[in-house]
Formats: sequence, C-alpha cells, structure tokens
Amino acid sequence: ETGVTQTPRHLVMGMTNKKSLKCEQHLGHNAMYWYKQSAKKPLELMFVYSLEERVENNSVPSRFSPECPNSSHLFLHLHTLQPEDSALYLCASSHERGLGSGSVFFGPGTRLTVL
Amino acid sequence: GIQVEQSPPDLILQEGANSTLRCNFSDSVNNLQWFHQNPWGQLINLFYIPSGTKQNGRLSATTVATERYSLLYISSSQTTDSGVYFCAVSNNAGNMLTFGGGTRLMVKP
Repeated sequence: ETGVTQTPRHLVMGMTNKKSLKCEQHLGHNAMYWYKQSAKKPLELMFVYSLEERVENNSVPSRFSPECPNSSHLFLHLHTLQPEDSALYLCASSHERGLGSGSVFFGPGTRLTVL
Repeated sequence: GIQVEQSPPDLILQEGANSTLRCNFSDSVNNLQWFHQNPWGQLINLFYIPSGTKQNGRLSATTVATERYSLLYISSSQTTDSGVYFCAVSNNAGNMLTFGGGTRLMVKP
C-alpha cells in the first residue's frame, strides 16, 4: 500500500463504547496529525506527533487519547464519546515539523457516528 | 492564530467554464497547500505553493506571499472537478495546517 491509510473507514459506536482509530503512513514521514472535520466547520487540528513525541494538543477533550508507537503508526483511542463528536476524522503525515517542511498528505478518513 | 478566508463559498459552473478561487491569509506563511475533497471525504493534494506559480494540467495556482493571498485556477471545468476546494496554511511555527472554510464547487454537464 502507498500513502496514508486509515481503518476503519466507517464506525458507529454508542456513548459507552471504547474504540480505536488506526492510521498508517508509508511515505517515510516522521510527523503525524489527527484532524477533525465536523459538518459546517473548518477542519480542526487535534493532535500532532513529531518524531513520535506529542508536540501539540489543541485543547481536545480527554475522551480522545492519541498514541504514536512509531513514526509510521498513529492511533486515536475513543471512550465515552458524545453525539456531537460525530465527524470525519482525518489522519495526515509530513516530514518533520519545521520551517518549509513540505507537503502534508491525508488519509481517506474515518467517518464516526456516535449514537 | 492565523486566519484563512476562502471565496466564494459556493460556485456553480457549466462544464467547460473557467473559474478562479481565492484564499486570503492573515499572516506570513511558509506552507500553503490547495486540496480537493472528493464526495467520499478524501483530501487530495493539488499544490504545495507557499509562493510563486505552478501548473498541473487544467489546474494552476499562484501565491503572492507579500500580499497574503493565493489563487487557484480551474480551466475547462469537468463534472469530476466537483467537490470542495480547501486552502490550508502554516506559519513559521511549523507544519500544522490551518484550513479555510472551503469553496464548494458544482460543475453541471
């Protein structure tokens, strides 16, 4: 596989469930990101990992918990979500965070519905 | 933080027409990208263009960094061009992209 892949592509979960989103990049990048796209809102950055260390957390609720075990994999662990968390969750990767680091590439997204 | 505004928010074209999409940003940037989001949600890279002009087939883009805007040109539009076009930027702090609100394009046959 090439590029950035995400699984699952669709997920329906109840508010008491625990689930995880997975992202894998095959581009040799060492920075990875989670973005959230809600209806009628701009894409929002949630988390950034550079060289496997979290460098940004944009005041995301603790019911979202990221994990980056290595530079190719990124997870988003979900627990006790709310219906308003229903959205498209997009993973992205790029070369390391820094000046003029080049293009950011996105995965196909996981469309999450919380009942 | 940096602000990104895109115009127009919505655009309807007849197949074969040309169009220009605009992106204004509020601060200096070192990364500017244009994306096309298809109906399934996939964000497809169109251009990495923090400055200058680039062309790729029927698409071209120009960024005038000193005046803080970028333009995306679509020529001879096709129905497959339909979708949402996003401009995204990052400033000198790193590669974390801030997205504009997008331009929703519909090309009618």
